[in-house]
Amino acid sequence: QVQLVQSGAEVKKPGASVKVSCKASGYTFTSYGISWVRQAPGQGLEWMGWISAYNGNTNYAQKLQGRVTMTTDTSTSTAYMELRSLRSDDTAVYYCARVYDRFYFDYWGQGTLVTVSS
Amino acid sequence: SYVLTQPPSVSVAPGQTARITCGGNNIGSKSVHWYQQKPGQAPVLVVYDDSDRPSGIPERFSGSNSGNTATLTISRVEAGDEADYYCQVWDSSSDHRNWVFGGGTKLTVL
Repeated sequence: QVQLVQSGAEVKKPGASVKVSCKASGYTFTSYGISWVRQAPGQGLEWMGWISAYNGNTNYAQKLQGRVTMTTDTSTSTAYMELRSLRSDDTAVYYCARVYDRFYFDYWGQGTLVTVSS
Repeated sequence: SYVLTQPPSVSVAPGQTARITCGGNNIGSKSVHWYQQKPGQAPVLVVYDDSDRPSGIPERFSGSNSGNTATLTISRVEAGDEADYYCQVWDSSSDHRNWVFGGGTKLTVL
């Protein structure tokens, strides 16, 4: 069965960076893209970006351009999301999700809470 | 960028029908997808491509899309359907392609 398992919770200070991992199993990793979606406390879902696991092409939300980098390691079927220059409003649960046919998210990771606090 | 508008809340009695709308400019020309999110859990896809259901999703969940409004319909609502629901589209109308979510609708089962 398809599974996306994310790394554990993180606490970071403002200005620091965080890197969250998402290990995929149960399907051919390079056949699908991965998107990252975040959710601030009590708020809705915010799409952050997409990466092709096939060739590494990326597409980032304009709001996060320059602060976010998404990568994949096909040898371990793992996707990564790094967010730099963290601010308090980056505090959120970060989800990875498999992208079906470039249009919707059919499987999601369990989420990773990132807390930014001094 | 493309905007999706959902009502913040919808309330319905058990056994009745809940309808959650998602408004967007000419949304009928796009494919709309719906997610259910219960507290403390990751979202779950409940409807894709306007009206298709993933395996394991009850037939009580259905969708439609026309003009400027897409609708998620939940028939014979149960207490376990209480959750937040989000619509989503893939927008390629600008130079920058985006996946866009609506603001979410909290479904309360009375």
